[in-house]
Amino acid sequence: AQSVTQLGSHVSVSEGALVLLRCNYSSSVPPYLFWYVQYPNQGLQLLLKYTTGATLVKGINGFEAEFKKSETSFHLTKPSAHMSDAAEYFCAVSDGGSQGNLIFGKGTKLSVKP
Amino acid sequence: EAGVAQSPRYKIIEKRQSVAFWCNPISGHATLYWYQQILGQGPKLLIQFQNNGVVDDSQLPKDRFSAERLKGVDSTLKIQPAKLEDSAVYLCASSLGGGGYTFGSGTRLTVV
Repeated sequence: AQSVTQLGSHVSVSEGALVLLRCNYSSSVPPYLFWYVQYPNQGLQLLLKYTTGATLVKGINGFEAEFKKSETSFHLTKPSAHMSDAAEYFCAVSDGGSQGNLIFGKGTKLSVKP
Repeated sequence: EAGVAQSPRYKIIEKRQSVAFWCNPISGHATLYWYQQILGQGPKLLIQFQNNGVVDDSQLPKDRFSAERLKGVDSTLKIQPAKLEDSAVYLCASSLGGGGYTFGSGTRLTVV
């Protein structure tokens, strides 16, 4: 069965610093991987996704993630944090390809200090 | 393109009462999902529809939860009777395939 582990329930960085949010997955099939962001009292917004092809995926708002099959990881990075990046971030894996159910991690809350 | 519409945005009910949530997916999206997100946790699938048929409802508490998607378009999720532990955000999502899932803004349910 597919599963997702997000290391660190809370990450705090200074404005302008590197953002690194960690995600490891387990999947018995080639994974479809996703990062979503959730602002308070809002739904989930897709940041980026990996389905096939290039392992370095670029998303919105300057975020990117690299699919590393050997490490079963899909860590999210951003070179320079902005105050507006403060939110909760969820990593997810699909359990059935392009229309499977999304299995989510527990989330990582990102705080950005001025 | 219009997004996934959900209503109501907020609902407060007493335990043992019933409640219903509505979702209208993006036009043409055959697959519709209902997720439950308890505070401090990631969303968890309750039910997945493909058109008007159920694909997966293994995690739906069927003694109190029910869902339908008549005509394969919009969907309703009902809880009857509600328990305190049902307090959560209920998210609807739809998908056309190709790994594209779009979520609605959710309904925040508080059971008192």
